[in-house]
Amino acid sequence: SQTIHQWPATLVQPVGSPLSLECTVEGTSNPNLYWYRQAAGRGLQLLFYSVGIGQISSEVPQNLSASRPQDRQFILSSKKLLLSDSGFYLCAWRNNGTGVEKLFFGSGTQLSVL
Amino acid sequence: GQNIDQPTEMTATEGAIVQINCTYQTSGFNGLFWYQQHAGEAPTFLSYNVLDGLEEKGRFSSFLSRSKGYSYLLLKELQMKDSASYLCAVRDNRGLQAQLWSRKKGQAGTALIFGKGTTLSVSS
Repeated sequence: SQTIHQWPATLVQPVGSPLSLECTVEGTSNPNLYWYRQAAGRGLQLLFYSVGIGQISSEVPQNLSASRPQDRQFILSSKKLLLSDSGFYLCAWRNNGTGVEKLFFGSGTQLSVL
Repeated sequence: GQNIDQPTEMTATEGAIVQINCTYQTSGFNGLFWYQQHAGEAPTFLSYNVLDGLEEKGRFSSFLSRSKGYSYLLLKELQMKDSASYLCAVRDNRGLQAQLWSRKKGQAGTALIFGKGTTLSVSS
């Protein structure tokens, strides 16, 4: 069966510090991978998505970046965090195809930038 | 672009029935999803509609009208554990075409776009 792992669960970082959140998927190959952010009082905002190794699409301009060094690994990074980067970050995957497969989410990372 | 609207909050009592509405505007359409999210947890899949009509799954049902850009999630026999946020999400044909094109160009493809969610509070 497929599983998705995301860590850490919670993170408190000072403004201006770097960030690295990691997500891995098991039990499937060549998945579509996604990073979403959910800020307080706001909906799930799509940040990045990827259909393959090294293939990243950014949905919104920001000081975050994403990388996919391996087929089932997706990393969210920042060189210098801003207060506005606080939020609940969710990694997700779906089967890579033209059908309408559902999205599966990781357990999320609650990031507080102080 | 896409626009998805749903009520911010709803309240109901145990045993009752509640309907959560979702309206959307999109350049194309390729499926509507409903997810449930408890506070501090990841969303979990509830239902999927791509054709008009009602899809029933136990106490939960979801309806879609593509011509009206409208969907609703119906929750019956409400329980306290149903207190959560309910997220409506849409994927459209533009994204699908981009995915087919992007395979040649080596770029990313389609993704679900979510509404802001409806927080449902169930009381005894």
